[in-house]
Amino acid sequence: DIVLMQSPGTLSLSPGERATLSCRASQNVDSDWLAWYQQKPGQPPRLLIFGASRRATGLPSRFSGSGSGTDFTLTINKLEPDDFAMYYCLQYGDSAWTFGQGTQVEVK
Amino acid sequence: VQLEQSGAEVKKPGESLKISCKASGYMFIGNWIAWVRQKPGKGLEWMGIIYPGDSDTRYSPSFEGQVTMSVDKSINTAYLEWSSLKASDSAVYYCAHRGAALDVWGQGTRVTVSS
Repeated sequence: DIVLMQSPGTLSLSPGERATLSCRASQNVDSDWLAWYQQKPGQPPRLLIFGASRRATGLPSRFSGSGSGTDFTLTINKLEPDDFAMYYCLQYGDSAWTFGQGTQVEVK
Repeated sequence: VQLEQSGAEVKKPGESLKISCKASGYMFIGNWIAWVRQKPGKGLEWMGIIYPGDSDTRYSPSFEGQVTMSVDKSINTAYLEWSSLKASDSAVYYCAHRGAALDVWGQGTRVTVSS
C-alpha cells in the first residue's frame, strides 16, 4: 500500500496568515490522483482538491493544491475563521486507496 | 447527488449488523461507492469500494474478510455488513460517491459495540 505522511501534525496560525500543508507518498501517485479534504468535528469530510490541483466546485480561490509524484501541498491563503479544521490527503491512484493521518490547523 | 445513511446502532460483541447508504440524484449503477471508517478521535481509513453496476468490489487489505460490501440496485442502496462485531469495530462509518475522488459523502453511521 502507498503510505501518505502528512506534516506538520498541527499547524498553529492566526487568521489572515497562510497555511502550507504537506503530504508525502511512499511511492509515486499515479496520474496525480491525490485529493485533499477538510473535516470539522461531527461532520463528514468535505472535498477541497482533486487531481492534485483541481478545486472542487464552489471552493474559494484561497485554497490551492500543487505537487506531483510523491510530494503534494495544500496552501490556504489568508486563513479565515472557518478554515480552522482537520485536513486529510487521500491517494486514489493505487488499487488500495489510503489517507494521510491528518494535519490539524488550529488558532494560534 | 445525495447519500443518506442509516441511523446509529448499538450492538453487542458477536452480533451481526448491516448498515445502509441510499443514493439519489444520479445514476446509481454508474458510479463507485466507497466506505470509510473513522474511530473516535482518529483519522480516516479507506475500507473499500463497490461498483453497483456489477458489484465489483475492492477491499483494503486491512478490511478484507472483516466486512462485506453489497448493493441493491432496485432501491439504489449500498450496504456494509459484519457477521460478528468486535468492540474494535466501534466507529463512525461513511459512504462516499466516487466522482471526482470521493466528492459527496453520507452523514455517517455511528456504530457502538459494547457488552
